[in-house]
Amino acid sequence: QVQLFQSGAEVKKPGASVKVSCKASGNSFTAYYVHWVRQAPGQGLEWMGRINPNSGDTNYAQKFQGRVTMTRDTSVSTAYMELGRLTSDDTAVYFCARDLLSTITADAFEIWGQGTMVTVSS
Amino acid sequence: DIQMTQSPSSLSASVGDRVTITCRASQSLSNYLNWYQQKPGKAPKILIYAAFSLQSGVPSRFSGSGSGTDFTLTISTLQPEDFATYYCQQSYSTPPTFGQGTRLEIK
Repeated sequence: QVQLFQSGAEVKKPGASVKVSCKASGNSFTAYYVHWVRQAPGQGLEWMGRINPNSGDTNYAQKFQGRVTMTRDTSVSTAYMELGRLTSDDTAVYFCARDLLSTITADAFEIWGQGTMVTVSS
Repeated sequence: DIQMTQSPSSLSASVGDRVTITCRASQSLSNYLNWYQQKPGKAPKILIYAAFSLQSGVPSRFSGSGSGTDFTLTISTLQPEDFATYYCQQSYSTPPTFGQGTRLEIK
């Protein structure tokens, strides 16, 4: 069973950047899109974007365009999400999630990481 | 972006009850609608995809129906472990968007 393991909690100051990692177990990393979804405290779920680990192609939600960068390192089966120019509104749990389908994206999220809490505070 | 609206926002029910949660989209989704369950401090878990397909390993008391703009998630006989927050999510167009959630509480 594939699992996703995310990096640990982060505390950042306003204006800084944060980079969260998401490592996949198993050997199917390049076959499935990886999505990033965040959840502010007590709030709902918000999709940030996706990356095709095979090609490196990305799609970002317009809200985060210019501020988010999603990358991957296939040699270590890890996806990364970097968010810059942080404000207190970015305080949230950030999840990575593997797509339901292989090769193409269903934009349905089958396997999730455990989440990474990012706190932005001066 | 497609707006997703769930009702009710919260619901109290008892073990053994039948529960229905509704999700409405701002435009037609065909059947590109998924349901998730989330427990406090945990990642969401997919229950239903493509409106009515039960994800592997999910108990059969969960079912989904609907198409177009109106969808429902039904739990036929509530179990203690079902008390959680449920989200619908459209996968018809980018960006994927979620409903605001329905919190299911013990009566």
